[in-house]
Amino acid sequence: QKEVEQNSGPLSVPEGAIASLNCTYSDRGSQSFFWYRQYSGKSPELIMSIYSNGDKEDGRFTAQLNKASQYVSLLIRDSQPSDSATFLCAVKNSGAGSYQLTFGKGTKLSVIP
Amino acid sequence: GAGVSQTPSNKVTEKGKYVELRCDPISGHTALYWYRQSLGQGPEFLIYFQGTGAADDSGLPNDRFFAVRPEGSVSTLKIQRTERGDSAVYLCASSLRAGEGYEQYFGPGTRLTVT
Repeated sequence: QKEVEQNSGPLSVPEGAIASLNCTYSDRGSQSFFWYRQYSGKSPELIMSIYSNGDKEDGRFTAQLNKASQYVSLLIRDSQPSDSATFLCAVKNSGAGSYQLTFGKGTKLSVIP
Repeated sequence: GAGVSQTPSNKVTEKGKYVELRCDPISGHTALYWYRQSLGQGPEFLIYFQGTGAADDSGLPNDRFFAVRPEGSVSTLKIQRTERGDSAVYLCASSLRAGEGYEQYFGPGTRLTVT
């Protein structure tokens, strides 16, 4: 059973601070990793993808990947109240013909004005 | 361009009834995925299509669930003899291709309530 673990939170940060979201996964062969943002009552929205070890930056978002430690993180700089949402970590399963995503339960982020 | 669309947005049905949920992927996307999300959980994989064929249906919970994609574009998820435990948000996603390096984009979902 392939698993993705996230701290469910809620994670509360003040406006303007850095929010740090973490995720570990069990499938050592996985090569593709994603962060989705999900507002209450809405569907998941892709915000970052990362495929290689190291950091990937996109605006206020930085994804970090360490395959040896089976660890993915998302940093949100200058957090805004509009960032308040649940952030889902997703890992694409390894194995021939298997392209499904396994999701964590999500971390609920609350940015306090 | 247009994203993934799903209809209906909400569906309320009685236990034991049959329902169909429709997904229209992003134009040109060959891979289509169905997931199910319960409250407080991440989406769970149901089935994936590459073109017209179901390439992986390992996530379908039982034989009451079936999905088709006859022309390689629109897909329909069919649930027979619905049970209260089927109540969830059913999400459809599409990607340009299957495989590594291709991102999945989700539609707005269909909220199914079985009474």
